[in-house]
Amino acid sequence: GQNIDQPTEMTATEGAIVQINCTYQTSGFNGLFWYQQHAGEAPTFLSYNVLDGLEEKGRFSSFLSRSKGYSYLLLKELQMKDSASYLCGNRDDKIIFGKGTRLHILP
Amino acid sequence: DVKVTQSSRYLVKRTGEKVFLECVQDMDHENMFWYRQDPGLGLRLIYFSYDVKMKEKGDIPEGYSVSREKKERFSLILESASTNQTSMYLCASSWPGVGGYEQYFGPGTRLTVT
Repeated sequence: GQNIDQPTEMTATEGAIVQINCTYQTSGFNGLFWYQQHAGEAPTFLSYNVLDGLEEKGRFSSFLSRSKGYSYLLLKELQMKDSASYLCGNRDDKIIFGKGTRLHILP
Repeated sequence: DVKVTQSSRYLVKRTGEKVFLECVQDMDHENMFWYRQDPGLGLRLIYFSYDVKMKEKGDIPEGYSVSREKKERFSLILESASTNQTSMYLCASSWPGVGGYEQYFGPGTRLTVT
């Protein structure tokens, strides 16, 4: 079976840095995805990690440790528009998602 | 520009009705997926398809079926709608293979079964 865990909600301040963690136990592994989903909208792709280490893309970075079954999404210089849910997904032959982390940004 | 469209944004049906949710993608993707999304439960995979006329069960296929007669179209069918199928339904598509191919999502259909 597959199990993906991430915090339900987080709160951070505009301009700050926040780290959203994701742990997984899966039978197979072909990559770890992060998606962003604003309320009432479809998820949109943020990042993909298949090798250990940090992938940086502008204000967003994603980290993977395959031996620990652990990933995190790092958001820097937070903006109000970053208020959204962030979904961690593990790919075997299909993508299985965690329940998502709702991030609230305070001014 | 990449595009996945779903036939309706909002749909209200009665218990016992047969419901068709249509999804069309214009990216020539082999893979297509149907998810439902519920508060506190996240995105859950119902069915997916890697090719025309091919389908695979996801994690929660009970009460659903699918049809893929053409590459660009993937239909989700609720044979006899029930109130516990009230949910947001999201379709997605992607390139084939097990590499890092992102899924593109449609805007979703919010189905209410009364």
